[in-house]
Amino acid sequence: GNSVTQMEGPVTLSEEAFLTINCTYTATGYPSLFWYVQYPGEGLQLLLKATKADDKGSNKGFEATYRKETTSFHLEKGSVQVSDSAVYFCALRTNTGTASKLTFGTGTRLQVTL
Amino acid sequence: DAGVTQSPTHLIKTRGQQVTLRCSPKSGHDTVSWYQQALGQGPQFIFQYYEEEERQRGNFPDRFSGHQFPNYSSELNVNALLLGDSALYLCASSLFDRAPDTQYFGPGTRLTVL
Repeated sequence: GNSVTQMEGPVTLSEEAFLTINCTYTATGYPSLFWYVQYPGEGLQLLLKATKADDKGSNKGFEATYRKETTSFHLEKGSVQVSDSAVYFCALRTNTGTASKLTFGTGTRLQVTL
Repeated sequence: DAGVTQSPTHLIKTRGQQVTLRCSPKSGHDTVSWYQQALGQGPQFIFQYYEEEERQRGNFPDRFSGHQFPNYSSELNVNALLLGDSALYLCASSLFDRAPDTQYFGPGTRLTVL
């Protein structure tokens, strides 16, 4: 079956530090990959996505590259801000037909301090 | 552009009771998916509705049921509540015919079962 593995948190960084959150996946077929962010007390917001191998998704300074050879989709940001503190979820969706579901990792909490 | 809305925001029930949660999809979307997010975990897929029919279902018992209305809004019903049903319930909407689709999430309903 499909599964997503994320690095365990919390990840604590100082403002302006470099961020990497690791994500690897197991899936049948060729999945689309997503990063969602959840701010305290809120639902999930789509951060970025990639639909095929070697695609790079990017948004708000965050980026992730779909690596089929290593089945990975690591999230990176060059300089984090306090406002980036949130829980980040990696997810996949297999492109089998149009009825689809997302499979999520367990989430990685990021805390950015001044 | 109205996003995904859910009601109520919070709900407290006791074991054995029944609960109904409601979701209105993003304007223009016709598909609604429901997820359960236990504390500290990633969301787990419950089921998806399109054209008023359940199209796909995750690993949840029959106590979890749903409905979609002609205006695309949806309800999630849970019967015979258990303590373990306490979670954040997330609704996501998307376009059925657009693959790979992007699912947009609502803020969630926090259900507490005492």
